[in-house]
Amino acid sequence: DAKTTQPNSMESNEEEPVHLPCNHSTISGTDYIHWYRQLPSQGPEYVIHGLTSNVNNRMASLAIAEDRKSSTLILHRATLRDAAVYYCILYSGTYKYIFGTGTRLKVLA
Amino acid sequence: EAGVAQSPRYKIIEKRQSVAFWCNPISGHATLYWYQQILGQGPKLLIQFQNNGVVDDSQLPKDRFSAERLKGVDSTLKIQPAKLEDSAVYLCASSLVGTEVYTGELFFGEGSRLTVL
Repeated sequence: DAKTTQPNSMESNEEEPVHLPCNHSTISGTDYIHWYRQLPSQGPEYVIHGLTSNVNNRMASLAIAEDRKSSTLILHRATLRDAAVYYCILYSGTYKYIFGTGTRLKVLA
Repeated sequence: EAGVAQSPRYKIIEKRQSVAFWCNPISGHATLYWYQQILGQGPKLLIQFQNNGVVDDSQLPKDRFSAERLKGVDSTLKIQPAKLEDSAVYLCASSLVGTEVYTGELFFGEGSRLTVL
């Protein structure tokens, strides 16, 4: 299974944009890039996913590098409720979602 | 739409005792997963089902863990006998993966927190 690398932790000020990076240099052509987040004492929740093109939804944007070896999750205006662990996952179509250790995002008021 | 239901939410047992966790996925979801999450770590996949068949159980410690998904709906994860290192949150997730309407989302329950003393 292809692996992802994320920083252990990041901080952001409230109402500022946050860019969460993910490296996936061994990604294959058919791997989807998924992002999930886990709020304290809850199960992970889906944020966004993409294949090649940048994607936007109501929660976030996903920017994918042209060579697909890295991606960035963008929260346009961080709120205190966005404090969570964010996981970047490669989904290969074998029904497997393999989580790494993620990035713990701290949002400062 | 009802989410993924898990029970019990919390369980405390002595080592060498047994415990069972129950999961009811979202209606119509063909794929069901059990993950183990130890404090401070990301979720670790234990087993995944497609309908009532096992797709992958390579990370399931089969000497003490077992799981089944009867009739392709509810699932039960059992640990017998429990060890101290089994203390963790056990997360169940379901997805439309394997159906025509798959949208990429994995839906998780709130988890069952196990403490082994």
